[in-house]
Amino acid sequence: GQQVMQIPQYQHVQEGEDFTTYCNSSTTLSNIQWYKQRPGGHPVFLIQLVKSGEVKKQKRLTFQFGEAKKNSSLHITATQTTDVGTYFCAGPDSGGYQKVTFGTGTKLQVIP
Amino acid sequence: NAGVTQTPKFQVLKTGQSMTLQCAQDMNHEYMSWYRQDPGMGLRLIHYSVGAGITDQGEVPNGYNVSRSTTEDFPLRLLSAAPSQTSVYFCASSPAGQGVHEQYFGPGTRLTVT
Repeated sequence: GQQVMQIPQYQHVQEGEDFTTYCNSSTTLSNIQWYKQRPGGHPVFLIQLVKSGEVKKQKRLTFQFGEAKKNSSLHITATQTTDVGTYFCAGPDSGGYQKVTFGTGTKLQVIP
Repeated sequence: NAGVTQTPKFQVLKTGQSMTLQCAQDMNHEYMSWYRQDPGMGLRLIHYSVGAGITDQGEVPNGYNVSRSTTEDFPLRLLSAAPSQTSVYFCASSPAGQGVHEQYFGPGTRLTVT
């Protein structure tokens, strides 16, 4: 079945440093979603990318969708303690409709 | 709108007990799903529903049952709890329509089976 892997699994950064998480799919994706889960919370939708090579920005967050639509990345510039949490990517499942397969997640810890 | 609500927030069960995790949404979303989250495993799909009266299995359905009698509610039943079902359970919903839409998650139920 479809697999979506994320690296790294964990990342500790000093506040102010940059952070990047990478998402790789075993199959070509029609789109990719990103979610953030704060400690003790639930996943919250951040963004969806659809086009090959697409780049979208949300303040200090930059999201990219690869040219081959099999990988994606999330880059955070100058991390803040509010960025702490686990970041998940998710791609449409081959089963169709609204099913998605979530990546394994990257847990970000920001050291003040 | 309350969004997606889940009850209970926490639950402790003994092995062999059964229980139902409740999930409701007030956004008139057709698609609803249940995930379990275990450390290092991400979110794994248990069951999902594309509308009232229609359900299907996800990646890890064994030991769980669902039904969808209304658009709003999508309960998850544990038939005979096992320690391997200790996890955090999330319910999610999303609107219908062409393409894949963002999923709205409930606050989760933290289940411990002893």
